[in-house]
Amino acid sequence: AQSVSQHNHHVILSEAASLELGCNYSYGGTVNLFWYVQYPGQHLQLLLKYFSGDPLVKGIKGFEAEFIKSKFSFNLRKPSVQWSDTAEYFCAVNPQGGRRALTFGSGTRLQVQP
Amino acid sequence: GAVVSQHPSRVICKSGTSVKIECRSLDFQATTMFWYRQFPKQSLMLMATSNEGSKATYEQGVEKDKFLINHASLTLSTLTVTSAHPEDSSFYICSIGGTGGQPQHFGDGTRLSIL
Repeated sequence: AQSVSQHNHHVILSEAASLELGCNYSYGGTVNLFWYVQYPGQHLQLLLKYFSGDPLVKGIKGFEAEFIKSKFSFNLRKPSVQWSDTAEYFCAVNPQGGRRALTFGSGTRLQVQP
Repeated sequence: GAVVSQHPSRVICKSGTSVKIECRSLDFQATTMFWYRQFPKQSLMLMATSNEGSKATYEQGVEKDKFLINHASLTLSTLTVTSAHPEDSSFYICSIGGTGGQPQHFGDGTRLSIL
C-alpha cells in the first residue's frame, strides 16, 4: 500500500515570501500525484496534478510542483504567497491504472500574514 | 460547474439516529465512487469504495454494518450511518474516481454532528 508524508504541519509566512511544502510518498509502482487545497469552510479543490511527462508541473494560482522520482518527492512551490493562499494543503497519490482511491498526506496548514 | 453533488451539507441529530448521505454524479456515469472521512485537523481517510451494482469494498477498521453503502445507479451512491454515536461526528466526503490519471472530483462534504 502507498503512503504519503507531509513534513510541515503548520507554516506561517508573510505576504510575498516564497513557499515550499514537502511531500514524500512510498509505493513500489507508478503513481499519479496531486496537490489539493482546502480553503476555510470550503471543499477540496485541485491545485495541480502529475501523471507523466514533464516533472515540473504548473497549476492554478501560481503554484507549481516538481516530481523527483529518485527522491519519491512532489514538493509544492510558489514564489510569492498572498494572504488569500491561507488554507490547508494536501498532497495525495494513487496508483496508475484503473479507478483508484487517493491516499492523502496529513496536510499542511498555511497561514499567510498580511 | 459542479461535477459531484453531495447532500445534505450538514446534519445535527441525536445519538442512535441513522443518517443517510447522498452523492450524485452530475456529468457522467460513475461506476466507482469513494467515501472519505475527515476528522478535525486531520487528513482525509478512505472509508470505502462504492461499486455500482455490487458490494462496497471497505477499508480495514471500517464497520460495514455501521456504514451502509448503496450504489444502486450510475449516478447515485448513498452512505448511511446507522445508529450514530458522538464518535461518528466527522466530515464525510464522496468523490468520483478518475481514470487515466485524471483527478477525482469531490463533493462539498457533509458535516455530521451527533449529540
